[in-house]
Amino acid sequence: AQTVTQSQPEMSVQEAETVTLSCTYDTSESDYYLFWYKQPPSRQMILVIRQEAYKQQNATENRFSVNFQKAAKSFSLKISDSQLGDAAMYFCAYRSGETSGSRLTFGEGTQLTVNP
Amino acid sequence: EPEVTQTPSHQVTQMGQEVILRCVPISNHLYFYWYRQILGQKVEFLVSFYNNEISEKSEIFDDQFSVERPDGSNFTLKIRSTKLEDSAMYFCASQKMGGSNEQFFGPGTRLTVL
Repeated sequence: AQTVTQSQPEMSVQEAETVTLSCTYDTSESDYYLFWYKQPPSRQMILVIRQEAYKQQNATENRFSVNFQKAAKSFSLKISDSQLGDAAMYFCAYRSGETSGSRLTFGEGTQLTVNP
Repeated sequence: EPEVTQTPSHQVTQMGQEVILRCVPISNHLYFYWYRQILGQKVEFLVSFYNNEISEKSEIFDDQFSVERPDGSNFTLKIRSTKLEDSAMYFCASQKMGGSNEQFFGPGTRLTVL
């Protein structure tokens, strides 16, 4: 079974600074997808960024980028120019690409605080 | 932009009662999911549904749970006899097709069992 681990329960960053959230995963599959979801206090789950395992290029979405290290099974999220609205719980998630419609497996989450 | 909707936003029930949580997935999506999140914990998969049948379920999804797509638009999760430990946020999600397509989450239903 696949597992996802986020070793940082809490992180904080100053507004306008950069922060990196860590995620590692364990799988024996070669075809899979990785995601970062943001959960603000409203508890809505919002997709931040996704990475296909077969792509070597790291995904980027505006101020959000990932560092995908496939051999190390590491998938970190970098938030640049942090804004107060980035404060939320961030979940790393894994999904198998070997079957359609497969489940998401989530990590424990990292609570990000942005200080003004 | 289309979105997944869930009702009610908050449900309070007595232990032992049956509850039905409702979801309206995005209209052209084919895969449907239920996840739950106990307060302060991670999001856990319950069940996935495709082509009018369960495609996968977790060990959490025991006989007290059932899902249904009664009318081609709604997707429901029924808990037959609620327990205190069923108190959680329940999220519905839908996905257009397989592959890299993302799962779109609804806003969740907060279930409180007293």
